[in-house]
Amino acid sequence: QVQLVESGGGLVKPGGSLRLSCAASGFIFNDYYLTWIRQPPGKGLEWVSFISRTGSHMNYADSVKGRFTISRDNAKNSLDLQMNNLRPDDTAVYYCARGGPSNWEGPDFWGQGILVTVSS
Amino acid sequence: QSVVTQPPSASGTPGQRVTISCSGSSSNIGNNYVYWYQKVPGTAPKLLIAKNDQRPSGVPDRFSGSKSATSASLAISGLRSEDEADYYCGTWDDRLSGFVFGTGTQVNVL
Repeated sequence: QVQLVESGGGLVKPGGSLRLSCAASGFIFNDYYLTWIRQPPGKGLEWVSFISRTGSHMNYADSVKGRFTISRDNAKNSLDLQMNNLRPDDTAVYYCARGGPSNWEGPDFWGQGILVTVSS
Repeated sequence: QSVVTQPPSASGTPGQRVTISCSGSSSNIGNNYVYWYQKVPGTAPKLLIAKNDQRPSGVPDRFSGSKSATSASLAISGLRSEDEADYYCGTWDDRLSGFVFGTGTQVNVL
């Protein structure tokens, strides 16, 4: 069965950095786009970033562009999100999710999520 | 704020039918598939409807989706207490080159 397990969350001060990872299993990893999605406390879902099957194409929400970097290692079935210059409004539960063979397809399986708290 | 809007809440009694709307524009819903997700607090979102009206395996047929022009709808028939959750539509936006979620609708079973 498809499994996505996030790690690397925690408490960080404003301006700090954090690297999230997502370990995937149960499917052919490099057949799928992958995405990061977040949900701030008490708010709705927000798409953060996607990366193509080969890792050659990615995009970001305007709110994180220039601060976050998505990457994947198809040999290790893993997805990462490097988050720099973090701000309090980046506080959220972050989910990694499996997309489809194309960038426009919505995510079908999600990890359980990991909490990132940005506070002094 | 999101470019795709939903009513903040919807409610019904057990057994009733509830419909949730999702309104967008030509750059998102009007030109792309719509997906629907159920989100229970403390758990991962679950895909209910893919590509406008397709139910993934294991999703009860009480859930159905439709799309017309720049709007979409999710219907829950035979409402049950376990359907209490937040529901989000989602779609690709050609202008943003990213996936966008609707504002979310909280469904209450009275």
